[in-house]
Amino acid sequence: GESVGLHLPTLSVQEGDNSIINCAYSNSASDYFIWYKQESGKGPQFIIDIRSNMDKRQGQRVTVLLNKTVKHLSLQIAATQPGDSAVYFCAESRPTGNQFYFGTGTSLTVIP
Amino acid sequence: NAGVMQNPRHLVRRRGQEARLRCSPMKGHSHVYWYRQLPEEGLKFMVYLQKENIIDESGMPKERFSAEFPKEGPSILRIQQVVRGDSAAYFCASSVNNSPLHFGNGTRLTVT
Repeated sequence: GESVGLHLPTLSVQEGDNSIINCAYSNSASDYFIWYKQESGKGPQFIIDIRSNMDKRQGQRVTVLLNKTVKHLSLQIAATQPGDSAVYFCAESRPTGNQFYFGTGTSLTVIP
Repeated sequence: NAGVMQNPRHLVRRRGQEARLRCSPMKGHSHVYWYRQLPEEGLKFMVYLQKENIIDESGMPKERFSAEFPKEGPSILRIQQVVRGDSAAYFCASSVNNSPLHFGNGTRLTVT
């Protein structure tokens, strides 16, 4: 399943399928990007980050892709599990100010 | 190693009362951020502080809201004369330079 975070805030996928969550960021000067997962009643939890000198970074079952040309970030989750159901946020940071700006989020529902 | 600690988890105030939200950052973290989240919405930046200094308060309402991060003790977000529109989840995050934000589990403020 695939979503564009700003236009399709919900995504439903079958358990075991791969998920792709997209995020368009606003500022070409942003050089650091983070994906967070937020479960109901909890604070956002760090998943994976990437700096602008990289195009791709892999973690455990997750991959983040960065396309600076079109200012686009995606999070790929392999073999999605029910425990992956949550809201996913992307955040961008710029070289100055240590400030983080969050996207609107995408709600992922995994269907058993 | 304790994470970001916020208290109380839930706070109920009547209109016109004051709300005080506390945040203890992760050990060794000198940057503190406050975010506000309404149901089904993203995280809205409020203020960024370092010890004894407000670095960026561009997201804070001009009236009734204040924040501090004293040399000793937790960071405090203070809301005076609360109104129903202040009801939200307030998240604190901490970091060190050039590193991801680590979030607490939030304080859920309800104004009756």
